[in-house]
Amino acid sequence: RKEVEQDPGPFNVPEGATVAFNCTYSNSASQSFFWYRQDCRKEPKLLMSVYSSGNEDGRFTAQLNRASQYISLLIRDSKLSDSATYLCVVIYNNNDMRFGAGTRLTVKP
Amino acid sequence: DVKVTQSSRYLVKRTGEKVFLECVQDMDHENMFWYRQDPGLGLRLIYFSYDVKMKEKGDIPEGYSVSREKKERFSLILESASTNQTSMYLCASSGALASGNTIYFGEGSWLTVV
Repeated sequence: RKEVEQDPGPFNVPEGATVAFNCTYSNSASQSFFWYRQDCRKEPKLLMSVYSSGNEDGRFTAQLNRASQYISLLIRDSKLSDSATYLCVVIYNNNDMRFGAGTRLTVKP
Repeated sequence: DVKVTQSSRYLVKRTGEKVFLECVQDMDHENMFWYRQDPGLGLRLIYFSYDVKMKEKGDIPEGYSVSREKKERFSLILESASTNQTSMYLCASSGALASGNTIYFGEGSWLTVV
């Protein structure tokens, strides 16, 4: 079993839709979590951190469920510009992190 | 603006050649990482370094070596390139990860081995 798993998608949604991705992790000692966004042929860039209490940044909401060992990303009112691959990142300690393989999202007009 | 710079963006090398991929960061980060990314496989860690002259193997170190002589520079070396090393290589750097520090990536180096 992979340490960090994501549904690879692709998720194809119309503009304005709400879409949610999950990411499960196997190590209960994981310390912190992030969502990164990666555009085609570009490097990953930080989208948002994930806090235990959940956090929101505009149309994006990230949540952490430690009991079930997953994090989620919710995108409301999808825009064409949201089309990208979304990577979850799980931090184990000061220099050990694991990436999910990414979930590809395509938002269509 | 923070920066991780990979000097070689696109390279074509022949099988058996020695290849150097250079990465420089200007954020005084302790941690530096080399990944390769292939379709369907996601990011796979090759090597990382948490201090000058320190290095640790990642998940796929075979066929690669690294060098970190200065804090800001982390080099990936392919001693004898092979066609299965054709990939996009990403360098990353960060401060102490457990403190919630952001991971910054370079723009990637696209290597084709023919």
